[in-house]
This record gives sequence, C-alpha cells and structure tokens, in this order.
Amino acid sequence: DVRLLESGGGLVQPGGSLRLSCAASGFTFNRHAMGWVRQAPGKGLEWVSVIGAYDGSTYYADAVKGRFTISRDNSNNMLYLQMYSLRAEDAAVYYCAKDGVWGATIFGYFDYWGQGTVVTVSS
Amino acid sequence: DIQMTQSPSTLSASVGDRVTITCRASQSISSWLAWYQQKPGKAPKLLMYKASSLESGVPSRFSGSGSGTEFTLTISSLQPDDFATYYCQHYNSYPWTFGQGTKVEI
Repeated sequence: DVRLLESGGGLVQPGGSLRLSCAASGFTFNRHAMGWVRQAPGKGLEWVSVIGAYDGSTYYADAVKGRFTISRDNSNNMLYLQMYSLRAEDAAVYYCAKDGVWGATIFGYFDYWGQGTVVTVSS
Repeated sequence: DIQMTQSPSTLSASVGDRVTITCRASQSISSWLAWYQQKPGKAPKLLMYKASSLESGVPSRFSGSGSGTEFTLTISSLQPDDFATYYCQHYNSYPWTFGQGTKVEI
C-alpha cells in the first residue's frame, strides 16, 4: 500500500524557519514526481510546490517562491519542504502528495496524499 | 496565472439526486484537469484526471467532462458517502491552481 507520512510541523514565530519531511513507501519513489499542497484553516486547497522524479526540476507557487525549497532523497524515499521567512499566511495543514504517473518527470495530478502536518505561525 | 472558478460554492442535495459541479478556467487548459473529494479532517482523494478519466476504485456514478475552459463533475445518484467538498485542479502550466471548492450538503 502507498503510504505518505508527513512530519516536522509545529509552532514557529513569524520570520522563522521549519523543515517538513514526508516518508514515502509502497511505490517506486524515484519514478514519481512529488508535491506539497497546503490548506489554511477553513480554506481551500493551495498548490505549493512540485519536484520531478529524477531530474531535480522544481516549481513553486508565487506565494512561496524564494522562501520555500522542495527537495527529495531518492535513496531514502524522503520528500522535504524547507520553509524560510514564514508568515502568518503560511499557517496551514501541509500535505505531501504523489504524482499519478509513473516514469514521467512531472505530470500534474496527485493520486495519493498523506494525512498532513500542521504549521502554525504565531508570536 | 490560470484562475479556476467553481460553481456553485455550496450545493444542497438529497440522496439519489443527480448533482453537477462546474469548474471554469480563465484560459484554455485542454483536458489537464483533476477532481478531488475532501471530507472534514481528511486528505483529499483523487476522483478524476485528464478531465474525464475515472481514477481506479472510484465508483462509476462519478463522471467528468469538458475541455478547454469549461468542465463538469457529475454524480449520477448521490449517496450518503458523497457529502463532501469537491475541488478541481488544473495542471496545464505552472503554477497549478485549485478551484475554491464546492461543498455538497444535505
């Protein structure tokens, strides 16, 4: 079974940093792009970032570009999101998600999601 | 950026009803559209991709159609398990964006 387990969320002050992790299992990790999607309390889904399966290509939402960095460790089936200069509006549940197509660098839809990790930004 | 607009924002329906949710893109996205279902406190679940392809394991009462800028998600006979919020998402170009969601309630 596909499993995505996020960790690393918590309370951080405005301007602070946090690194989210996602441990993946149950599929060939290095053959799927991976992404992060967030959801602020009571709000809708917001795409954050995506990383290619094996070419290192990365893309970001305008709201996080220059502040967040997505990366992956294919040897250990791990996905990361390094977040800097956090703002109140970054507070959300952050979901790790798996791209639905095997082998393509990045396709675009997410067929499996983790349960999310909560990021709170407050002083 | 491509904006995705769903309508309605809230939909009141009964078990057995045929339900249609519309998603409009601010510019053409061909068929690069996915639909998700989300229940409170849970992660989203993929229903459809490439506008009209049913994800494995999703009941056949769900169907998707459209291309270009207008898309629909139809539930042919609403079941109790279908009361949830539904989101469309385009993946035509970066940045990918989601619609604001449609809550299907009793």
